[in-house]
This record gives sequence, C-alpha cells and structure tokens, in this order.
Amino acid sequence: DAGITQSPRHKVTETGTPVTLRCHQTENHRYMYWYRQDPGHGLRLIHYSYGVKDTDKGEVSDGYSVSRSKTEDFLLTLESATSSQTSVYFCAISRDLNYEQYFGPGTRLTVT
Amino acid sequence: AQSVTQLGSHVSVSEGALVLLRCNYSSSVPPYLFWYVQYPNQGLQLLLKYTSAATLVKGINGFEAEFKKSETSFHLTKPSAHMSDAAEYFCAVSDDGNKLVFGAGTILRVKS
Repeated sequence: DAGITQSPRHKVTETGTPVTLRCHQTENHRYMYWYRQDPGHGLRLIHYSYGVKDTDKGEVSDGYSVSRSKTEDFLLTLESATSSQTSVYFCAISRDLNYEQYFGPGTRLTVT
Repeated sequence: AQSVTQLGSHVSVSEGALVLLRCNYSSSVPPYLFWYVQYPNQGLQLLLKYTSAATLVKGINGFEAEFKKSETSFHLTKPSAHMSDAAEYFCAVSDDGNKLVFGAGTILRVKS
C-alpha cells in the first residue's frame, strides 16, 4: 500500500467553523490531490498540487483552499464549513503525470 | 469537458457468472482511462489503466477492460464472479494523465 495517511479520519463540526484536513505521504511523490466523494457523483477533484507551493483548482474548488509547504503534506481547509461540504474526502498521490494515483483511506466530515 | 457515464448504478450477478460493468466517456483527445474499486469504508484501489499501449488491458483480480474508440467505451469484465468482488467500481478518464474525472460508480452485488 502507498504510504498515505489522512487525519482526522472522522470529524463532526458546526456550520461556520473552520476545518483543516491533512494528507501525509511517505513516498516523496510530486503530485497530490484532494477529492470529495458524494453519492451519485463519484469523486470530484477539489484542488491538486504539482510541487511545494504549487497548487491549482479542480472541478469543485469553491469554499476550499489548500496549502503545501512540504513535499509530504497537503492540507485542505474549509474556511467556513457549510452543510453542503458534508462528504468523504480523499487524498491521492502520484509520482508524476501519466502515473496512476494512489488513494488514502479518507476522512468523513459531517457539518451540522 | 470530459465526462464519464457508468450505466447501471447497481449490478447483481451470481457467483461464477460473467461480470460486465459499462463505462462510456467523452474526451476531445485520446484519453487515459482507469478502473478503480472501492471496498466499504476504504479508499480506492486501482484495478487497471489504459494508456494507449494496448486496447485490451488486464488488471488485478482477474479483471480486464477493452478500449473501443469507435464506441467511446471502456467496459470492465471478469469471466467468473467471486463473492469477494462485491464492491463499488469507478471508471475514470483523464486527457492529460493528471486530473481524473470519475463516473458515478457501480455497486456490484454477487449472489451465492
């Protein structure tokens, strides 16, 4: 298994509070991704990173920000959580373009 | 914009029967195509990928998929279903080998 951990694994928070999810890898892979998984939608890309401090938006980036200050860590922040952001969040890593993505175990976030 | 359609949100087969999960895609350029499997409460695991080397792609656990450009399809098959194949399966497409667009997923049920 690829060395990817996500923390926390489960979180319940209230509407309007800030939330940060962490993805940590031990593979030294260049590319890192954040997806959200919702029933009927599969997985949708939120943001991705192609190197330290190099990030770009995905399909559903509104309401989310990311940061990558070290190769091994990719943080996803919800500045002010809303109920529509209740979802399961997956981090993925990839060695480079054209290589497969390996997924972490996911974080289940509930916004009440 | 890329899109992926998985026909049938639920598929049920008997143990030992053929498994056929359908995937059609739209892409303006020759795509990269993937099948992932997700077991309950876990992340996604890559089954196989198509990157233009061969139209028939063999993956793990006895699965294979055939790329048919004329039909814009990448259906997943397995000759004989096993109980352990019960999971959710996702087809995904990328036109740059980087950002993945996923289908909504197909839940496979295997009856004994």
